[in-house]
Amino acid sequence: DAKTTQPPSMDCAEGRAANLPCNHSTISGNEYVYWYRQIHSQGPQYIIHGLKNNETNEMASLIITEDRKSSTLILPHATLRDTAVYYCIVSGEAGNMLTFGGGTRLMVKP
Amino acid sequence: DTEVTQTPKHLVMGMTNKKSLKCEQHMGHRAMYWYKQKAKKPPELMFVYSYEKLSINESVPSRFSPECPNSSLLNLHLHALQPEDSALYLCASSQDRGTGNTIYFGEGSWLTVV
Repeated sequence: DAKTTQPPSMDCAEGRAANLPCNHSTISGNEYVYWYRQIHSQGPQYIIHGLKNNETNEMASLIITEDRKSSTLILPHATLRDTAVYYCIVSGEAGNMLTFGGGTRLMVKP
Repeated sequence: DTEVTQTPKHLVMGMTNKKSLKCEQHMGHRAMYWYKQKAKKPPELMFVYSYEKLSINESVPSRFSPECPNSSLLNLHLHALQPEDSALYLCASSQDRGTGNTIYFGEGSWLTVV
């Protein structure tokens, strides 16, 4: 599966949009982009995933560039409870499984 | 319902003990996974089961022995563990191993080996 690159940490003001970038320049045609988050001491929580098109659900929006080499997860109105480590994962070449990278530690501040 | 249930939540065991971690899902999923997560590190894949058969073993030491007795249950049998095996053990499941399926995680079992 393709590797991803994320900034190790980001801050966001409460109530503002949090935009988390991910680079996956080696992604292949049948690989999906997944986003998970992990709040301290809990299991990873699924947020959203997509193949080519932008996706939106009740938690977040996923914007994938046309060349698919990067994506952005958008939390439209961040709250303190969104403080977590966010993982961007590319999966599909080796069947459905997730290889986690370092992730981005998002700190939402009042 | 997207729930994966893991028991126990916390386990302390000696290096000579035999214990098991249990995982259960009732979503009709046919793929199940074990991950290990050390403190301040990302989760690492250990095993993948597909239709109750072991399909991936990521070179995990034999002191960890997985078992999938039926499509809803996944066990991880532990024997002769070392203190460095102390970690959060995560179970997950997905509809199957087809690409694009969502993988759902349980809350994990915290294991301490003394």
